[in-house]
Amino acid sequence: GAGVSQSPRYKVAKRGQDVALRCDPISGHVSLFWYQQALGQGPEFLTYFQNEAQLDKSGLPSDRFFAERPEGSVSTLKIQRTQQEDSAVYLCASSSSAPGYSPLHFGNGTRLTVT
Amino acid sequence: RKEVEQDPGPFNVPEGATVAFNCTYSNSASQSFFWYRQDCRKEPKLLMSVYSSGNEDGRFTAQLNRASQYISLLIRDSKLSDSATYLCVVPPGGSQGNLIFGKGTKLSVKP
Repeated sequence: GAGVSQSPRYKVAKRGQDVALRCDPISGHVSLFWYQQALGQGPEFLTYFQNEAQLDKSGLPSDRFFAERPEGSVSTLKIQRTQQEDSAVYLCASSSSAPGYSPLHFGNGTRLTVT
Repeated sequence: RKEVEQDPGPFNVPEGATVAFNCTYSNSASQSFFWYRQDCRKEPKLLMSVYSSGNEDGRFTAQLNRASQYISLLIRDSKLSDSATYLCVVPPGGSQGNLIFGKGTKLSVKP
């Protein structure tokens, strides 16, 4: 079956631009996560959805970051007024149940470069 | 103690060697743990789940020590294809979403 799909695969943005990153989770997966991964580091948690409810957004680094999952399926991570420190790979993952009870399935990620 | 800490890498080992990584965690309420493997410029992929004292899958063994709050990953008879970064994942207790990844341990298996 289809895995987690993310688009675009690569995004180059000029500082100050807004970007939107899309994630299509595995069909039927209730949990959806966004992570930010800088070069040479492990993934850093950004936010978590259970269906359409955003239950944890403690990892979002600033109010420039916003995520939504309005129908409990596709999710969008939006970054407003991008800064150079936002350059990273943004990973989306989904799982079939609550965190910790089933493994995460990751998408290929979106590599964001802010110039 | 940081929430999740892993052995610093890189580990450079010859083919056929046995290598072990440790991961310590601070949240004693965590119930299940995962090891992920991440190849260069790829997404993390699940390697093993650890729900009780340990798990074994072929050349890979994961062990959990709740008293000392660490999990380990043992790789026997290392292959060149085992070269990757190994990430430890610790969920929080309860139903919080903050699945915490360690920074990863890089393994390089040489011929």
